[in-house]
Amino acid sequence: DAGVTQSPTHLIKTRGQQVTLRCSPISGHKSVSWYQQVLGQGPQFIFQYYEKEERGRGNFPDRFSARQFPNYSSELNVNALLLGDSALYLCASSLGQGPWEQYFGPGTRLTVT
Amino acid sequence: RKEVEQDPGPFNVPEGATVAFNCTYSNSASQSFFWYRQDCRKEPKLLMSVYSSGNEDGRFTAQLNRASQYISLLIRDSKLSDSATYLCVVGGFEGGKLIFGQGTELSVKP
Repeated sequence: DAGVTQSPTHLIKTRGQQVTLRCSPISGHKSVSWYQQVLGQGPQFIFQYYEKEERGRGNFPDRFSARQFPNYSSELNVNALLLGDSALYLCASSLGQGPWEQYFGPGTRLTVT
Repeated sequence: RKEVEQDPGPFNVPEGATVAFNCTYSNSASQSFFWYRQDCRKEPKLLMSVYSSGNEDGRFTAQLNRASQYISLLIRDSKLSDSATYLCVVGGFEGGKLIFGQGTELSVKP
């Protein structure tokens, strides 16, 4: 079975631009979560979506938004990019909304210049 | 105080050594506990879930002490391939949030 897939793998943007990152969960998983990981730190929770609804949100500004599609894939959008948004963006899928194990995709490495 | 605290290391050990990682968490409402492994510039991979009764998977043993809000991971007979960063993770909160520690770096030398 395919694992979690993310695209693109790498992205370079300039300050002020907008970016869209994509994620497809493991087949049968209905929940997608997004995390930001900067160098030297553990991943930080951004959002969780389950059954196409936002179920949780971390401490990130409104420039960050996401959505989940009927096939459970998801997009993360970041507007008005700042240098500090440079990070590895990880998508994780899980069976449901509860305290399930989450399985991560390979991530999208975003560099903002 | 960080929600999940780990010793960042690095831990440098010879092959065959036994190494223990410790982790504390601050939110007593935490319901699920995990250890993830992360290789350099890769995604975190689930190593094992941690249960109150403790659990073992081959050379890896995890323990949870809810009263002390403490989680541990023991690796026996370390292999070169165990070199990675080990992330202590707690979850079970509303909204599916997982809270990660900053990770403990392990380097196993020949």
